[in-house]
Amino acid sequence: GNSVTQMEGPVTLSEEAFLTINCTYTATGYPSLFWYVQYPGEGLQLLLKATKADDKGSNKGFEATYRKETTSFHLEKGSVQVSDSAVYFCALSDRGSGTYKYIFGTGTRLKVLA
Amino acid sequence: NAGVTQTPKFRILKIGQSMTLQCTQDMNHNYMYWYRQDPGMGLKLIYYSVGAGITDKGEVPNGYNVSRSTTEDFPLRLELAAPSQTSVYFCATHQGQGPQHFGDGTRLSIL
Repeated sequence: GNSVTQMEGPVTLSEEAFLTINCTYTATGYPSLFWYVQYPGEGLQLLLKATKADDKGSNKGFEATYRKETTSFHLEKGSVQVSDSAVYFCALSDRGSGTYKYIFGTGTRLKVLA
Repeated sequence: NAGVTQTPKFRILKIGQSMTLQCTQDMNHNYMYWYRQDPGMGLKLIYYSVGAGITDKGEVPNGYNVSRSTTEDFPLRLELAAPSQTSVYFCATHQGQGPQHFGDGTRLSIL
């Protein structure tokens, strides 16, 4: 079956450091891949997405590339800010048996120190 | 454009009481979901619906019920509240292979 595995947190970085949060997936079909962000006390918001192999999603300085050969969708940012402190969820959507299935990773908490 | 609207935002219940969490969407999406998120944890799927009149269980359905009589509304019912149901509840929608859109959540405490 489909699954999403992301690195455990918390991840603690200093401001302006480079960020990588790893995400790998298993899927039987051709999934779309997503990163969501959840700020304290709020719901999940879509951060970026990619719908096919080699696509790069980007938003607010964050990037992730859909790598089919390594079944990965790692989230990166070149220089994090205190305001990026949040929980990040990797997710996939795949169509099997005629309906779409959505799978979320367990989330990675990021804390950025000034 | 309101997107996904959840009410109430906060609620305190006594053990054994019942309540309905409301979720309404104005995006005409077929798929709707209810998740719960315990403190510091990820999402757990309670129930989902692929269209009006069709619902199915997720991974943690016990103690909950849903209905989907219209495309717009997907209420979640707690019949006999228990302390283990203290959580934040999120409703979400999507269409096709697009992203899910989340409501702001309902923070529920059962004492």
